[in-house]
Amino acid sequence: GAGVSQSPSNKVTEKGKDVELRCDPISGHTALYWYRQSLGQGLEFLIYFQGNSAPDKSGLPSDRFSAERTGGSVSTLTIQRTQQEDSAVYLCASSPGGWGNQPQHFGDGTRLSIL
Amino acid sequence: ELKVEQNPLFLSMQEGKNYTIYCNYSTTSDRLYWYRQDPGKSLESLFVLLSNGAVKQEGRLMASLDTKARLSTLHITAAVHDLSATYFCASTNTGNQFYFGTGTSLTVIP
Repeated sequence: GAGVSQSPSNKVTEKGKDVELRCDPISGHTALYWYRQSLGQGLEFLIYFQGNSAPDKSGLPSDRFSAERTGGSVSTLTIQRTQQEDSAVYLCASSPGGWGNQPQHFGDGTRLSIL
Repeated sequence: ELKVEQNPLFLSMQEGKNYTIYCNYSTTSDRLYWYRQDPGKSLESLFVLLSNGAVKQEGRLMASLDTKARLSTLHITAAVHDLSATYFCASTNTGNQFYFGTGTSLTVIP
């Protein structure tokens, strides 16, 4: 079956613009995770969804970041008024069980570049 | 904030040799995760360790967790070139957040 799908694979945008990143998890996976990876900050956890609910949003770097998940499936990560420090690879993962109980399946990521 | 430290950061080893990567974390947690990342690629989950004394093995890799020592090890047995990659460990706190180590870049030399 299909793995975790992320789109777009690459996004280049100007500073100050809004961007929306999409993640399609593996069908039936109830847990969904967003991370980002950058040279300066390494791997950072952003947010976790169990179903449509995110119990803790404190991992989001600033109030310019928001995420939602609908229908227990697709998730979008939105960054408003992008800044150059937002440049990173954004990774999405899903797993069948609850918080951290089972191996995560990762998408290929979205490489975001802010000019 | 939970801090995760890995060592070594860089590891160059000959094929056929054994070695261990260490992962220390700063606060109480009974969960530890290992991942692999090939250059230019995404992450691959290797092991999920959910209790003190947990040991898991897959091929030439074996991971263990000692929650009292706040230490996990990733042991490589008889390394082969295909194991060359960056390995990350991560732990979680009760606040539903993951914290990653800085990664260990492993190069296996023929």
